[in-house]
Amino acid sequence: DQQVKQNSPSLSVQEGRISILNCDYTNSMFDYFLWYKKYPAEGPTFLISISSIKDKNEDGRFTVFLNKSAKHLSLHIVPSQPGDSAVYFCAASAPGTGNQFYFGTGTSLTVIP
Amino acid sequence: DTGVSQNPRHKITKRGQNVTFRCDPISEHNRLYWYRQTLGQGPEFLTYFQNEAQLEKSRLLSDRFSAERPKGSFSTLEIQRTEQGDSAMYLCASSWGDSTNYGYTFGSGTRLTVV
Repeated sequence: DQQVKQNSPSLSVQEGRISILNCDYTNSMFDYFLWYKKYPAEGPTFLISISSIKDKNEDGRFTVFLNKSAKHLSLHIVPSQPGDSAVYFCAASAPGTGNQFYFGTGTSLTVIP
Repeated sequence: DTGVSQNPRHKITKRGQNVTFRCDPISEHNRLYWYRQTLGQGPEFLTYFQNEAQLEKSRLLSDRFSAERPKGSFSTLEIQRTEQGDSAMYLCASSWGDSTNYGYTFGSGTRLTVV
């Protein structure tokens, strides 16, 4: 059962523009969400997180928005840079599970110079 | 300490052989997690330890999979009687306590190919 879904396998954006990556989840118990970036042959690298008590979290060029009623979160990257080209995964965990994360299938972002 | 270290980076093995992977977490992290990632999928949780205690192992894929963390530091993941379907990237992560604010960090993974 895919509890975390990223329905866009790929996304292309011009350098300097905004990249918006989307993620949906089905388990209403999820209360902590992460975004990771992954380059080929490397492990996932943590980008940004959000707790369910918030609806927005910012870190530099990265902002994550959480819509709990819609069970939807999104990652905004502004401005997009060529070095942002990677696969982005969202992940979610429920309380009391020891930080076991459920991951989406990833969105491959290409930022075109 | 430069992060989570996994060895080997690549492993090719014949079907039916046993393999063992090692993970060295960030030294101050008390929790260690194993995930598996297959092509086109996100990482899939397998098991985790808090110190030397294995607190969740029901999501290990079969009884051919086992993990240990004998002294609460490094961990090993063993797959017995490997099958071609076991070919994947095996990822280790570590964190401090129950808060992901304390650096839930992944290693670079071990890529297993079963031929």
